[in-house]
Amino acid sequence: SQQGEEDPQALSIQEGENATMNCSYKTSINNLQWYRQNSGRGLVHLILIRSNEREKHSGRLRVTLDTSKKSSSLLITASRAADTASYFCATDGDDNAGNMLTFGGGTRLMVKP
Amino acid sequence: NAGVMQNPRHLVRRRGQEARLRCSPMKGHSHVYWYRQLPEEGLKFMVYLQKENIIDESGMPKERFSAEFPKEGPSILRIQQVVRGDSAAYFCASSPGRPVYTQYFGPGTRLTVL
Repeated sequence: SQQGEEDPQALSIQEGENATMNCSYKTSINNLQWYRQNSGRGLVHLILIRSNEREKHSGRLRVTLDTSKKSSSLLITASRAADTASYFCATDGDDNAGNMLTFGGGTRLMVKP
Repeated sequence: NAGVMQNPRHLVRRRGQEARLRCSPMKGHSHVYWYRQLPEEGLKFMVYLQKENIIDESGMPKERFSAEFPKEGPSILRIQQVVRGDSAAYFCASSPGRPVYTQYFGPGTRLTVL
């Protein structure tokens, strides 16, 4: 089973609205990262949050991490049509000696102009 | 500083042929990771390499798949005797070293097996 599971799987909003995506994971982690993938393209790193951090901001992005619930959320404020993409959370943890990132299935976000 | 480069971007092979995918990491990065992505799914780890060493290949299929990262030149992911199920996007990522923090991804190679 996947370490990270995002929900919702798909999200459609109007430009200007906020978008919230959630990620749950199963084992202990060192870091959790969020990536964006435009259709047919590679992944772009958005933000990394360490296991001892609870919240982090980067521009219009806000990430929270709750290690007690093994969950994270990504909030995109004032969304734009250009934010349309798939968003993935990825974890690296003690169980894999930091060798790999374990990705969830992604949330497909559509922002309508 | 050029990003991670992968080639080819698209590769079409017939069943039974070999596929070779290349990855040049970012300058100064000595750690390379390969991932596979099936349509509408997340990325799945395949293998982690450093120069001339395979560190972790726990995600690699036992047969037909191999990877290398020679002292000189790009990392190569090789798939022998491809089957239709190998059709996917293959992504390479690099990082400057342990511990794993941010990995920088290439644009991917989309393999189609006819």
